[in-house]
Amino acid sequence: DGGITQSPKYLFRKEGQNVTLSCEQNLNHDAMYWYRQDPGQGLRLIYYSQIVNDFQKGDIAEGYSVSREKKESFPLTVTSAQKNPTAFYLCASSGNQETQYFGPGTRLLVL
Amino acid sequence: ILNVEQSPQSLHVQEGDSTNFTCSFPSSNFYALHWYRWETAKSPEALFVMTLNGDEKKKGRISATLNTKEGYSYLYIKGSQPEDSATYLCAPQLTGGGNKLTFGTGTQLKVEL
Repeated sequence: DGGITQSPKYLFRKEGQNVTLSCEQNLNHDAMYWYRQDPGQGLRLIYYSQIVNDFQKGDIAEGYSVSREKKESFPLTVTSAQKNPTAFYLCASSGNQETQYFGPGTRLLVL
Repeated sequence: ILNVEQSPQSLHVQEGDSTNFTCSFPSSNFYALHWYRWETAKSPEALFVMTLNGDEKKKGRISATLNTKEGYSYLYIKGSQPEDSATYLCAPQLTGGGNKLTFGTGTQLKVEL
């Protein structure tokens, strides 16, 4: 089956800890994206990558880091510098200038 | 950050009612307008991508129109059904922005029996 997978579904972070959210796609898409959703707000773009080994900051990149070493994978690290990490995180991918396809999401909670 | 507004924020309708909601966005540097439907416990799903002024798209009972000169799009649902209950998101795409989308906060629709 073609699609986007995100893991884990729920993730708990302790104070001062870095955590990494996984996103994998087998759609052969060049572009991948990370969004964050908070209650009452739309999806806000954290980082995006239009091609392997390249990525750009989105609107709310502070406290996050990404890598794009493989076309299929775009992991997001929530660092200890992100002071309000509790949110729902969605990963998406797209072909060139096309519709974005979304994964099922990861909910991050702070202990 | 691009200002994308959707109204109303939420809507309750009865089964069989027709409804519509609005997405407003800056008209400069416009490339495309995307509509998504996001049902609870599922991933957002693409409904339409529209690029030309005056575009109309239809998918079953759902249709959308686009006015790029004034910067708005309407989404219409005819004869709403409970399965239409979802949050409807719009996202403009700008020229020179690559594939980057800026999402509105969405309109949450609940269709009651």
